[in-house]
Amino acid sequence: GAGVSQTPSNKVTEKGKYVELRCDPISGHTALYWYRQSLGQGPEFLIYFQGTGAADDSGLPNDRFFAVRPEGSVSTLKIQRTERGDSAVYLCASSLMAPDTQYFGPGTRLTVL
Amino acid sequence: QKEVEQNSGPLSVPEGAIASLNCTYSDRGSQSFFWYRQYSGKSPELIMSIYSNGDKEDGRFTAQLNKASQYVSLLIRDSQPSDSATYLCAVPRQGGKLIFGQGTELSVKP
Repeated sequence: GAGVSQTPSNKVTEKGKYVELRCDPISGHTALYWYRQSLGQGPEFLIYFQGTGAADDSGLPNDRFFAVRPEGSVSTLKIQRTERGDSAVYLCASSLMAPDTQYFGPGTRLTVL
Repeated sequence: QKEVEQNSGPLSVPEGAIASLNCTYSDRGSQSFFWYRQYSGKSPELIMSIYSNGDKEDGRFTAQLNKASQYVSLLIRDSQPSDSATYLCAVPRQGGKLIFGQGTELSVKP
C-alpha cells in the first residue's frame, strides 16, 4: 500500500512569509508525528497527534509553528513569519497507534531565503 | 548532556569488515531502543529494535544493549558499500515520540 506522503517535496520562501507543509499518513494510522531535521543532525520532535488532537506539542520551537489534523488523517504544519533558521527538512511519520513503529515520509525541504 | 549521543563520524570501514556504531543515552528508565538507517537525501528507515539486555541478531545486523552502562550498539557484519548511510539511534518517550542522536555517518569502501 501507499506509504506516508508529504507535499511539497521542496519549498523555497522568503523571510517573513507563511508556509504550509502537508502530510498524508498511511491509511488507518491514527498516530502522526512531525519532526525537523537540520543538516548533520538527527530528527528533532515537534508535535504528535493521536487522532485529531495534538497529544504532545512540546517540541514546537515557538508560537510561529502550529499544526492541525482536523479529520484525523491529513495533517498540515503551518509556519508563520518564517526565519532563515527555520530552513530544514520537515519529516512526518505515522504509526498504527502510539507508540507503535513509525514510518517516515520523504520529507519537505524548506529553504528560507 | 544530550539525551541520546552518538559519534558523528564519518566512520570508514573496508568492504567485508565489521562496522561498529555506538550510542549512549541519559535516561536510565528507557526501555526500548531503535536503530534507523538514513540514506543521503532520504527518510529514516527502521532496521533494528531492542528491548532487553544482550544481543539481538537480524541477518548481518546485531544490536547490543547494556542498560547498566546506558549503552546500545549496532554491529554490521560483512559490510557492503550499500550499507553506506547515516545510522540514527533513537529512544522513544511517552506517546512514542522519538528522541534521536545526531547520527553516525558510515562509509564502506570497496
